[in-house]
Amino acid sequence: SQQGEEDPQALSIQEGENATMNCSYKTSINNLQWYRQNSGRGLVHLILIRSNEREKHSGRLRVTLDTSKKSSSLLITASRAADTASYFCATDGDTNAGKSTFGDGTTLTVKP
Amino acid sequence: DARVTQTPRHKVTEMGQEVTMRCQPILGHNTVFWYRQTMMQGLELLAYFRNRAPLDDSGMPKDRFSAEMPDATLATLKIQPSEPRDSAVYFCASGWGSGANVLTFGAGSRLTVL
Repeated sequence: SQQGEEDPQALSIQEGENATMNCSYKTSINNLQWYRQNSGRGLVHLILIRSNEREKHSGRLRVTLDTSKKSSSLLITASRAADTASYFCATDGDTNAGKSTFGDGTTLTVKP
Repeated sequence: DARVTQTPRHKVTEMGQEVTMRCQPILGHNTVFWYRQTMMQGLELLAYFRNRAPLDDSGMPKDRFSAEMPDATLATLKIQPSEPRDSAVYFCASGWGSGANVLTFGAGSRLTVL
């Protein structure tokens, strides 16, 4: 079974709105990463947050991590049609550092 | 830009045939992952190498799948014999380090087994 589970499975918003996706995981981690996948393409790394960090920003992206709840959220502010993609969280369990396990992803559709 | 190169991009084959997928990781990366992506199962980790040594292939059906790294510039994933349920997109990804392993993915090999 996958380590991470994203929620919601699908999200549809209007351009300009914010999009929030959540990821829950089961075991302790060293770090958590978010990736984006455009249709028919490979995954692209967006941002990494370490287990001792609570929040991280990169441009319009904001990631939070709550290790007590074993959950993370990805916020995309002022969304654009080009943000339409699937978003995955990946965890790097502390018992097997370096092995990245992905969730099932959230499919985001941003309507122009 | 440095990229992970996968070949072939598309492969259609008949059940029972051997399929070999190849991956050229980014020069200098020391970890290589093979993932399989389907609508039903999502992204499944098949195999994982560090410094060319296989670390984990527990996600791979051993009877028909094999993964190797003959050298630092080539990783292979072989299916023999192939079955229709192997139809999927197979991704190779490479990274650096044993800790925070930021992965660069290839474009994938889309396999259809008839």
